[in-house]
Amino acid sequence: EVVLTQSPATLSLSPGERATLSCRASQSVSTYLAWYQQRPGQAPRLLIYDASNRATGVPARFSGSGSGTDFTLTINSLEPEDFAVYFCQQRSVWPPSFGGGTKVEIK
Amino acid sequence: EVQLLESGGGLVQPGGSLRLSCAASGFTFSRYAMSWVRQAPGKGLEWVSLIGGSGTGTDYADSVKGRFTMSRDNSKNTLYLQMDSLRAGDTAVYYCAKDRCSATSCFFDSWGQGILVTVSS
Repeated sequence: EVVLTQSPATLSLSPGERATLSCRASQSVSTYLAWYQQRPGQAPRLLIYDASNRATGVPARFSGSGSGTDFTLTINSLEPEDFAVYFCQQRSVWPPSFGGGTKVEIK
Repeated sequence: EVQLLESGGGLVQPGGSLRLSCAASGFTFSRYAMSWVRQAPGKGLEWVSLIGGSGTGTDYADSVKGRFTMSRDNSKNTLYLQMDSLRAGDTAVYYCAKDRCSATSCFFDSWGQGILVTVSS
């Protein structure tokens, strides 16, 4: 099973700042990586697929990059609704696996 | 608009059974694989099971293999998860999630609101 390690566990930032979230895979997953946002009390929402493609309706301030084992989710100019937990997920190697999450909180 | 609505959760004793349902609308249900993903209280996400669009292929996480059975009724646009021999560690919010595949990979592009399953005596 591929283990995805997300860092940091918590990111404390102010609205308008940039957030940089990391996801590292225990083995190569090529670009088969997705990112999800989960607001408190809500279901996860797809943000990014294939490492860098924004899902429908996702604002342009969200961007993804990386390949192989190292991936980054960047949120430019944080909006109040962006304070949430973010998970990465791979399906390159079966079974699908998720990272432990990064919580982006208001500083 | 894709809608996924889970039902059937609740409190069950260890060793008991529960069947979850997920009613789907807004897309051609039979054309898509579906998954169940769970989240223990305050924890991360764990993939549980997947079923192909036709219903003939299923797979399960090792943690539930032999105890959970996933099925679907495409005539009713409904997904099911039969959970037997439940354990305290199965306590979680269970989400049904719709698969979508790009040219290169698959991911979960729509999720239900989730349903809580609590296993406790």
